[in-house]
Amino acid sequence: DQQVKQNSPSLSVQEGRISILNCDYTNSMFDYFLWYKKYPAEGPTFLISISSIKDKNEDGRFTVFLNKSAKHLSLHIVPSQPGDSAVYFCAASASTSYGKLTFGQGTILTVHP
Amino acid sequence: ETGVTQSPTHLIKTRGQQVTLRCSSQSGHNTVSWYQQALGQGPQFIFQYYREEENGRGNFPPRFSGLQFPNYSSELNVNALELDDSALYLCASSPGGPMNTEAFFGQGTRLTVV
Repeated sequence: DQQVKQNSPSLSVQEGRISILNCDYTNSMFDYFLWYKKYPAEGPTFLISISSIKDKNEDGRFTVFLNKSAKHLSLHIVPSQPGDSAVYFCAASASTSYGKLTFGQGTILTVHP
Repeated sequence: ETGVTQSPTHLIKTRGQQVTLRCSSQSGHNTVSWYQQALGQGPQFIFQYYREEENGRGNFPPRFSGLQFPNYSSELNVNALELDDSALYLCASSPGGPMNTEAFFGQGTRLTVV
């Protein structure tokens, strides 16, 4: 039972363009969402998060959008840079157990110079 | 300030054996969680430790067990290894207790069971 899904295994974009990574969830108890970035041979690193009381959160080049009715969130990276090439994981947690993160399968982002 | 460190980085074990993986949490972080990441998948929550006690467990059998020590470091033990246990095992530490969502991950231990 995959409660968090990232349906695009990979995404390729040109440097300077926008990267949009998508994530869907099924568990209505989830109320906190996070994006992590992972380089090879490293652990995931926290990128940005959003609470269910918001529909948008921005941090520099990164913006996360949350559509609760559709149970969908997306991460926008503008402008994309070659150093952004990594695996991106969407994760969710519920207020009953915030420390437990449920991850999606990941999307491999490649940004071409 | 040192981050989360895990040891060893790579390990090869035979089916049926037992393995212990170690994690040193980031300074000041009192909560440790363990995740299993199979190839091509996202990390899956195994369990969390807070104040040296298990505080939440994912869908993993009892042969997966853990410990947390007074200095907040942690061990993951897996008994009777199976081929499907081959994965990257990630440790994450958090400050401020088990309800804190801010998790900092180590680089992982790559376990191969043959």
